[in-house]
Amino acid sequence: SQTIHQWPATLVQPVGSPLSLECTVEGTSNPNLYWYRQAAGRGLQLLFYSVGIGQISSEVPQNLSASRPQDRQFILSSKKLLLSDSGFYLCAWNGGKGDQPQHFGDGTRLSIL
Amino acid sequence: QKEVEQNSGPLSVPEGAIASLNCTYSDRGSQSFFWYRQYSGKSPELIMFIYSNGDKEDGRFTAQLNKASQYVSLLIRDSQPSDSATYLCAVFRSGSARQLTFGSGTQLTVLP
Repeated sequence: SQTIHQWPATLVQPVGSPLSLECTVEGTSNPNLYWYRQAAGRGLQLLFYSVGIGQISSEVPQNLSASRPQDRQFILSSKKLLLSDSGFYLCAWNGGKGDQPQHFGDGTRLSIL
Repeated sequence: QKEVEQNSGPLSVPEGAIASLNCTYSDRGSQSFFWYRQYSGKSPELIMFIYSNGDKEDGRFTAQLNKASQYVSLLIRDSQPSDSATYLCAVFRSGSARQLTFGSGTQLTVLP
């Protein structure tokens, strides 16, 4: 069966520090991969999605970036965090052409001080 | 008009009752519809998905889709306190390049 791993579970970072969140999927090949952010009490905001290695689409202009160095690995990064980057970051995957259900990792709760 | 709209709630129902959650969407080209449950502090968990008009049942959950009226609903029968969570509606739109559009969620509380 397929599983998705996301780490770390929680992270506290100072303003201006770099960020790297990692997500890996097991048990499938060539998944579509997604990064979402959820602010407290808000809905899910799609940040990036990827349909293959090295293929990244950005949905929201910001100081975040994403990379997909391997088929089942998706990384979210920032060179300098802002206070507004605080939130709950979720990685998700699905198969096919996007009409299949997305399955989420456990998420990373990021607090910026 | 939001692309996917849900009543934010909170919606409260007594234990054992039927909880009815509704979602409307704006794009008539929408093809696939999903319901997720999200407990406080946790990630969303897929409950149901539906592609065709009509009803789809899975245990205590029933998803209903009406493409002509552009709404999808989730019924939870015999509601339990453990069903208390935020329920997210998500819609896959044709031409959306593998993206789901999520509603902002409905908070459900089942009262013991």
